Amino acid sequence: DQQVKQNSPSLSVQEGRISILNCDYTNSMFDYFLWYKKYPAEGPTFLISISSIKDKNEDGRFTVFLNKSAKHLSLHIVPSQPGDSAVYFCAASAQTGANNLFFGTGTRLTVIP
Amino acid sequence: DGGITQSPKYLFRKEGQNVTLSCEQNLNHDAMYWYRQDPGQGLRLIYYSQIVNDFQKGDIAEGYSVSREKKESFPLTVTSAQKNPTAFYLCASSPYFSSYEQYFGPGTRLTVT
Repeated sequence: DQQVKQNSPSLSVQEGRISILNCDYTNSMFDYFLWYKKYPAEGPTFLISISSIKDKNEDGRFTVFLNKSAKHLSLHIVPSQPGDSAVYFCAASAQTGANNLFFGTGTRLTVIP
Repeated sequence: DGGITQSPKYLFRKEGQNVTLSCEQNLNHDAMYWYRQDPGQGLRLIYYSQIVNDFQKGDIAEGYSVSREKKESFPLTVTSAQKNPTAFYLCASSPYFSSYEQYFGPGTRLTVT
């Protein structure tokens, strides 16, 4: 049973525009959320995270929004760059203890120059 | 510089053979993890280790075994009992077990024919 879902397997965006990647979760006990970026044949790299006590966290071009009532989070990339083309995974945890890190299936972002 | 290394990058084995995947980290992290990624799926936890000489089963441990004799090393053995061993295997570590953020190695793609 997939507790973290990324319903869009792929997304294409023009360079300079905004990329919005979405993630939904079912477990209301999740209290920490992360986004990872993965290039082909490489391991995921941590991108940005948000605690459930916040609804927004920014880091440069990347902003994560959390809507707890809708059990939804999104990653905004502005402006999108060709180097952002990768697979993005969202992950969620219900408690401190990374053995409970649940990953979504990923969204492949392609930024078109 | 610090990081996680996995070797080899590509591994081919005949069905019925056991195979061991290497994972080494020089980040001085206490916790280490093994994940499996299949096409169209998120990362699934195989085994994790909170500390040296300790390890626990994850969600899909059947057909796998691990050891944690040294802090920096967490090898994964894929046994002949694993029904579908062909996959991309990722090793990760975190500073301590309750850390949310995990740092991933580059992965090993195992193909069993």
